[in-house]
Amino acid sequence: SQQGEEDPQALSIQEGENATMNCSYKTSINNLQWYRQNSGRGLVHLILIRSNEREKHSGRLRVTLDTSKKSSSLLITASRAADTASYFCATGGAGSYQLTFGKGTKLSVIP
Amino acid sequence: DGGITQSPKYLFRKEGQNVTLSCEQNLNHDAMYWYRQDPGQGLRLIYYSQIVNDFQKGDIAEGYSVSREKKESFPLTVTSAQKNPTAFYLCASSTGRNSPLHFGNGTRLTVT
Repeated sequence: SQQGEEDPQALSIQEGENATMNCSYKTSINNLQWYRQNSGRGLVHLILIRSNEREKHSGRLRVTLDTSKKSSSLLITASRAADTASYFCATGGAGSYQLTFGKGTKLSVIP
Repeated sequence: DGGITQSPKYLFRKEGQNVTLSCEQNLNHDAMYWYRQDPGQGLRLIYYSQIVNDFQKGDIAEGYSVSREKKESFPLTVTSAQKNPTAFYLCASSTGRNSPLHFGNGTRLTVT
């Protein structure tokens, strides 16, 4: 099955810095989604980018997608302590109900 | 507020017992899902349901069973056949194919 793999596994930055996380996957996709998970909680959907899109913005979030390299990146600008969480990418195939999640990047933002 | 409610938050069971995890949604979503999360791991799909009275196995369905008798409810039973049931279980719903998932806050199951 398709699987996203995030890189790095863990990232520690100072408040105000930018954070970049990467995701690679193996097969063709219909869309790629990013989610955030605070410790011990459910996941929260952040952004969805379709296979025919290259870049998408939402507030301080910027997502890029390069289907030729089968990779995506999530940039969080001007990070805040409240951004501390794990971030997951998930890929969906054409016409599929199933999303396949990577193992996540654990982001720590130090005040 | 619309959302997904999972209960209980923590569940403890003895080995050999079946246990049922509850998931209710009031988002009027057709599709519902169960995922399992182990420490430091991503989510793995157990079962999903596209519509009432229909469900399909995900990647790790062995040792689990589900039902979908009502649109709002998608309970998961962890049977004694599941060899390593201790995990964090997440229920989700969506409007349909390739749509964002809305998650509950999970049930942490510990089997000893």
